[in-house]
Amino acid sequence: EPEVTQTPSHQVTQMGQEVILRCVPISNHLYFYWYRQILGQKVEFLVSFYNNEISEKSEIFDDQFSVERPDGSNFTLKIRSTKLEDSAMYFCASSEGLAGLDEQFFGPGTRLTVL
Amino acid sequence: QKEVEQNSGPLSVPEGAIASLNCTYSDRGSQSFFWYRQYSGKSPELIMFIYSNGDKEDGRFTAQLNKASQYVSLLIRDSQPSDSATYLCAVSSTSGTYKYIFGTGTRLKVLA
Repeated sequence: EPEVTQTPSHQVTQMGQEVILRCVPISNHLYFYWYRQILGQKVEFLVSFYNNEISEKSEIFDDQFSVERPDGSNFTLKIRSTKLEDSAMYFCASSEGLAGLDEQFFGPGTRLTVL
Repeated sequence: QKEVEQNSGPLSVPEGAIASLNCTYSDRGSQSFFWYRQYSGKSPELIMFIYSNGDKEDGRFTAQLNKASQYVSLLIRDSQPSDSATYLCAVSSTSGTYKYIFGTGTRLKVLA
């Protein structure tokens, strides 16, 4: 069964460093998303991506964040100048069509720890 | 601010009982509703989705939707200890790219 994959599973970084979180969405899916979940809190939308451009971003997704689809399979989230409060689980998700009509499938997540 | 509300629990039910999980949402125009299960430290796993008013059954799970009351629920019949997890209600936004808005989740404990 096709699934969304994410690497690394756990990333530890020093405050101020840049990290890149990687995702491989399901191959025939067209819409890609990043969510984050701070420990003990709800899953929060960060950004959606379609046709090689950002479709929508939340107020969390400021200039510190960027996304890219560098090739036909990978979808990356870059966090520049990490802060302690960026520590969270980051989930990539993909859907075949618009999420209003198609369910989103989530990857296993990357746990980001900023020291 | 569009909100999705869930009782955080924990909701404790004995093995074999019916677990009832509830969710309310504020955006009256929401069209699609999803239930995810999340084990501690893991990613959300889709259980069911529902688009239309009424009930939708899938095995031991039944989703119920009442758009007039802005209420969606999940019933788990014959609850098993392996059902112990946090259940997330997600509602697709009516704007933009239909991103999901999640509730905080209800922690379910099924007691053997």
